[in-house]
Amino acid sequence: EAQVTQNPRYLITVTGKKLTVTCSQNMNHEYMSWYRQDPGLGLRQIYYSMNVEVTDKGDVPEGYKVSRKEKRNFPLILESPSPNQTSLYFCASSLYGSSGNTIYFGEGSWLTVV
Amino acid sequence: DAKTTQPTSMDCAEGRAANLPCNHSTISGNEYVYWYRQIHSQGPQYIIHGLKNNETNEMASLIITEDRKSSTLILPHATLRDTAVYYCIGGARNTPLVFGKGTRLSVIA
Repeated sequence: EAQVTQNPRYLITVTGKKLTVTCSQNMNHEYMSWYRQDPGLGLRQIYYSMNVEVTDKGDVPEGYKVSRKEKRNFPLILESPSPNQTSLYFCASSLYGSSGNTIYFGEGSWLTVV
Repeated sequence: DAKTTQPTSMDCAEGRAANLPCNHSTISGNEYVYWYRQIHSQGPQYIIHGLKNNETNEMASLIITEDRKSSTLILPHATLRDTAVYYCIGGARNTPLVFGKGTRLSVIA
């Protein structure tokens, strides 16, 4: 089954404690991306990657890092989480360049930073 | 990416057609119109997309005006499970899609 898998789905952590949210896709997609969603602000893109070893900043990259060492994985790293990073996070992937650019989303990761 | 404008919210009676409008007057010739929906904090789900012709699939129909400045997503027989936020996005094939705030559709029994 084609899917984008994120882990953990739910996490409560403390300010300053580094954490990583993993994302994996099994569709051999070139394009992967991270979004955060906050009430009243919609989906905002954090980082995206058009292929292995290629990453670019989205609209709200501050406080986050990503890496794309292999095609299927695109982890989101919070080196020193702060309470304003409490949010719902989505990972997504797409077969870039194909007709339509359909994006597949993961189920989301609820992150709370206290 | 083309800027899109959608109503903040809409209601639709169950069993009736839901017609969701979207304005994209600045869309360029190589930009598609995509529709996604998000059901209560789940990951957004692809619905349909088109360039200039009308499109139909098992979920919905997409009607694009001849000048491509606006489009309408049609859910032919809305059910309670269609209650969601619907996003209209304009974007070229090889650029990241930018999600706006969408339209919150409430299907009412």
